[in-house]
Amino acid sequence: AQSVTQPDIHITVSEGASLELRCNYSYGATPYLFWYVQSPGQGLQLLLKYFSGDTLVQGIKGFEAEFKRSQSSFNLRKPSVHWSDAAEYFCAVGPNANAGKSTFGDGTTLTVKP
Amino acid sequence: EAQVTQNPRYLITVTGKKLTVTCSQNMNHEYMSWYRQDPGLGLRQIYYSMNVEVTDKGDVPEGYKVSRKEKRNFPLILESPSPNQTSLYFCASSPGQGASLSGGYTFGSGTRLTVV
Repeated sequence: AQSVTQPDIHITVSEGASLELRCNYSYGATPYLFWYVQSPGQGLQLLLKYFSGDTLVQGIKGFEAEFKRSQSSFNLRKPSVHWSDAAEYFCAVGPNANAGKSTFGDGTTLTVKP
Repeated sequence: EAQVTQNPRYLITVTGKKLTVTCSQNMNHEYMSWYRQDPGLGLRQIYYSMNVEVTDKGDVPEGYKVSRKEKRNFPLILESPSPNQTSLYFCASSPGQGASLSGGYTFGSGTRLTVV
């Protein structure tokens, strides 16, 4: 069965500092991996995705993520956080071409200190 | 504007009274899915549909029904709602099968359901 673990429930960083949100997955084949962001009271927005090719992927709003198969990880990074990045972030595996199921992590809430 | 539209945004109902939450997308996406979001539990998949007339159970299908009679619509039906179905519900769609299914979801704005 597929699963996603986001080890950090809550992270606080200062504005301008770098950010890394962790995501570990379990999946039997090549995973299709995604990061989504949810601002308070809003729906979810796709930040970036990985399904093949370059293991470092770029997304919107200056985010990037690196797929590391050996560590079963897909960590999200941003070099300099802005106050507007405060939100909840979700890592997800799937769906893919052959399997419609998708699984989300429990989310990491990011607080940005001025 | 490309979007997924859910209705209603808010709904308070009583135990046992059948209800339907509608979901419609205007992007010609083949894949659609329903999730519920509860504090500390992330998003859990209820049902999904990879194409018209094809639906499958997600991780938490009990107490829910869906149908996919046409590509754009994917309603969520609660035949006999119970208080444990109080939650925030999201509909999502994704383009096509094959490699294009990797496009990621477009989400609706959510439906906050309270069952008393």
